[in-house]
Amino acid sequence: QVQLVQSGAEVKMPGASVKVSCKASGYTLTNYYMHWVRQAPGQGLEWMGIINPSGGGTAYAQKFQGRVTLTTDTSTSTVYMEFSSLRSEDTAVYYCARDLLGLRYCSGGSCYSFDYWGQGTLVTVSS
Amino acid sequence: QSALTQPASVSGSPGQSITISCTGTSSDLGGYNYVSWYQQHPGKAPKLMIYDVSNRPSGISNRFSGSKSGNTASLTISGLQAEDEGDYYCSSYTSTGTRVVFGGGTKLTVL
Repeated sequence: QVQLVQSGAEVKMPGASVKVSCKASGYTLTNYYMHWVRQAPGQGLEWMGIINPSGGGTAYAQKFQGRVTLTTDTSTSTVYMEFSSLRSEDTAVYYCARDLLGLRYCSGGSCYSFDYWGQGTLVTVSS
Repeated sequence: QSALTQPASVSGSPGQSITISCTGTSSDLGGYNYVSWYQQHPGKAPKLMIYDVSNRPSGISNRFSGSKSGNTASLTISGLQAEDEGDYYCSSYTSTGTRVVFGGGTKLTVL
């Protein structure tokens, strides 16, 4: 069965960076886009970016451009999200999420529905 | 402030039907048929309930249905059950640099 297992909670100082991992199993990583979505405490969902694990191509929400980097290690079926220059308002649960249709069948906007999600990683930014 | 507008809360009794609205603009919801709905229970990851406006993923009950008219999408849940209680989020593809925008979420209470 498809599973996305994320790394554990992190506590970071303002200005620091964090790297969250998302290990995929039960399917071929390179056949589906992977997205990252965050949720601040008591707040809604916010899309951060997308990576094509096959070629490594990425796209980021304008708000996070320059601070977030998505990478893939296909040998371990793991996707990473590195977030730098952390601020207190970046305190949130960060989720990886797989696109529903896969690289072969999705196109444009149809690549932005997320059927499998990781369990979430709480990143707390505090001095 | 979220890009898509949802009511903060809705409620209904078991067996009843409820509808949650989601309003956007012509740059997102009104311009594309890429609207999704997610259910989220406390402390859990979101779960995809509807995609491409009205399609249900495998395993989702046909009590859940979606539609869209102009800049407003709707999620209807018929035959309400206690386990339907939770938060519901709409999302849409957008032509802006954000790619995907979400609504602020609607808390569904089953009375």
